[in-house]
Amino acid sequence: DTGVSQDPRHKITKRGQNVTFRCDPISEHNRLYWYRQTLGQGPEFLTYFQNEAQLEKSRLLSDRFSAERPKGSFSTLEIQRTEQGDSAMYLCASSFGTLKLFFGSGTQLSVL
Amino acid sequence: KNEVEQSPQNLTAQEGEFITINCSYSVGISALHWLQQHPGGGIVSLFMLSSGKKKHGRLIATINIQEKHSSLHITASHPRDSAVYICAVLNRDDKIIFGKGTRLHILP
Repeated sequence: DTGVSQDPRHKITKRGQNVTFRCDPISEHNRLYWYRQTLGQGPEFLTYFQNEAQLEKSRLLSDRFSAERPKGSFSTLEIQRTEQGDSAMYLCASSFGTLKLFFGSGTQLSVL
Repeated sequence: KNEVEQSPQNLTAQEGEFITINCSYSVGISALHWLQQHPGGGIVSLFMLSSGKKKHGRLIATINIQEKHSSLHITASHPRDSAVYICAVLNRDDKIIFGKGTRLHILP
C-alpha cells in the first residue's frame, strides 16, 4: 500500500492518559499535515512539517500536544493528559510541495 | 466569519439531478482543493485548482480567482455520490484552511 497510513485506526483511552498516533506519508512527499475533525465539522489545522521542520503550529493546540517528524519521514502526534474534549478524528495528510494532498484514514480518539 | 465558507451545508437531491456546491474564501490563495469524505471513510482529493476549470468524469470544478469563489458540479448524480464535500484553500503561508463541508444525499 503506497498511500498515507495512520496507526492506530481507533484509540479509546481514559481521561488523563497519554496517547501517541503515527502517520506514515507517501515516501517522496516532503510535506506532512495533521488535522483534527469533530463530527459534522470540517478538518481543523493542527500543525505541518516540511521535511523534518515543524513550520507552523495552530493556536488550537495546547502545550499538551506535541508532534515530531524526526527524519522527515513518519510523524508522531502525542497528546498528554488527555481530556474528553480531545475526542475527535485525527487526520494526517501529505503532499509533495503544494501539489495534490493525500489523506490517511485517520485515527479516531475517544477519551472516556 | 470563517475564512472558507461553503453552501449549502446540507443538500438532498434525486438521482440524476445536477448538483452545485459553492465555496467562497476571504484570503489570498495559491490553490484550492475539493475533497470528498464518505461516512467512516478517509478523505479523497477530487481536484486541485489554481485557475479555470477541471473535469473528471461527472465532476466539474471551477474557480474564479477575482471573485474568490469556486464551484463543484456533479452531473447525472447517483446515490454513490452521497458524501461530504469539503473545500480547502492553500493560503499564502502554505497553510490549508478547510470549509465545514457540504453533506450531500442523493436519493434513488
